[in-house]
Amino acid sequence: AQSVAQPEDQVNVAEGNPLTVKCTYSVSGNPYLFWYVQYPNRGLQFLLKYITGDNLVKGSYGFEAEFNKSQTSFHLKKPSALVSDSALYFCAVRGSGSARQLTFGSGTQLTVLP
Amino acid sequence: SQTIHQWPATLVQPVGSPLSLECTVEGTSNPNLYWYRQAAGRGLQLLFYSVGIGQISSEVPQNLSASRPQDRQFILSSKKLLLSDSGFYLCAWSGLNSGANVLTFGAGSRLTVL
Repeated sequence: AQSVAQPEDQVNVAEGNPLTVKCTYSVSGNPYLFWYVQYPNRGLQFLLKYITGDNLVKGSYGFEAEFNKSQTSFHLKKPSALVSDSALYFCAVRGSGSARQLTFGSGTQLTVLP
Repeated sequence: SQTIHQWPATLVQPVGSPLSLECTVEGTSNPNLYWYRQAAGRGLQLLFYSVGIGQISSEVPQNLSASRPQDRQFILSSKKLLLSDSGFYLCAWSGLNSGANVLTFGAGSRLTVL
């Protein structure tokens, strides 16, 4: 079975400070990993994905994520947070050899304080 | 470019009434189509997915059903709504045959059952 854990329901960070939203996963085979963002009363928007290659993936709006195979983690990061980054963030995984659908984490609410 | 439309955006229905939520995709053919439910603004639950016309897979037994009468149309229905059916319903599509494909979500339909 595949699973995703986002251990923090809520992350608060001051504007201009770096932010990290944590994600760990469990999957058979090599993972496909994704981050999505959701603003209030809206659908999810794709931020970035890891398929293969460089462990550091760069995505939309200055976000990046680091794939760590030994720690089975895919933490989302941004060097300098903006108030407009405040939203709900979802990590998702699917095994490369799996016919299963994408599995989402429970979400982390990021609040950037001015 | 591809777009996904979902309607209605908001719906308030009494217990026991029927439901029909519609989703259409433009600018692509043979998409995989998905219905998710998000309860209490948090985790996503996959309800149904479809890989082609008339082909529906159900992930969770429930009071709801789905149909795909046309290649780019996906409908979520219920004959009699329950209070527990309240939530935010999200339609999504992806390309076929690749676990690396990104899900693109619609704007969502908020259902309140009273």
